[in-house]
Amino acid sequence: AQSVTQLGSHVSVSEGALVLLRCNYSSSVPPYLFWYVQYPNQGLQLLLKYTSAATLVKGINGFEAEFKKSETSFHLTKPSAHMSDAAEYFCAVSDLSGNTPLVFGKGTRLSVIA
Amino acid sequence: EPEVTQTPSHQVTQMGQEVILRCVPISNHLYFYWYRQILGQKVEFLVSFYNNEISEKSEIFDDQFSVERPDGSNFTLKIRSTKLEDSAMYFCASRSGTGSDTQYFGPGTRLTVL
Repeated sequence: AQSVTQLGSHVSVSEGALVLLRCNYSSSVPPYLFWYVQYPNQGLQLLLKYTSAATLVKGINGFEAEFKKSETSFHLTKPSAHMSDAAEYFCAVSDLSGNTPLVFGKGTRLSVIA
Repeated sequence: EPEVTQTPSHQVTQMGQEVILRCVPISNHLYFYWYRQILGQKVEFLVSFYNNEISEKSEIFDDQFSVERPDGSNFTLKIRSTKLEDSAMYFCASRSGTGSDTQYFGPGTRLTVL
């Protein structure tokens, strides 16, 4: 069975500061990993994904994540937060085929302070 | 850019009533999904649909739930007799299936059962 743990239900950073959102996964098979973002009153938008190619994955809006198998982690980072980054962020896992349903973490709400 | 659409955005119903949530997946996508998110909890998988039949379902998806693709564009989730605990945000997603691992999500329908 697969599972995802997101540490911190709420993260608050200053504008211009580093953003670090943590995600650890558990999977008995090699995983595909995803980060989705949800802006207020909108659906889930794919930020980036790891699909067994490069371990450092770049996504939209300046975000990137690094797959670390030894740590079973897929943390999301952005060097400099912008006010528009305030949203809910979800980490999700599926198996390598991509056919299995996504298993989501609980989400982390990012607040950006001016 | 193609997107998944869902209607209505918000549905309020009385306990015991039937509701139908509607989704229009991205054209030419072959795999369809329903997920739900109870307030403050994880996004949870309900059901996946391919080739006009359910391919996988979770424990949540009991006999009160059904899905249908009545025509070439719509994908619906029906709850026959709603319970208070069915109150949640329901997300539809679709995936092309042709070597694609990415699920594209709609904006969600907020279901409130009174």
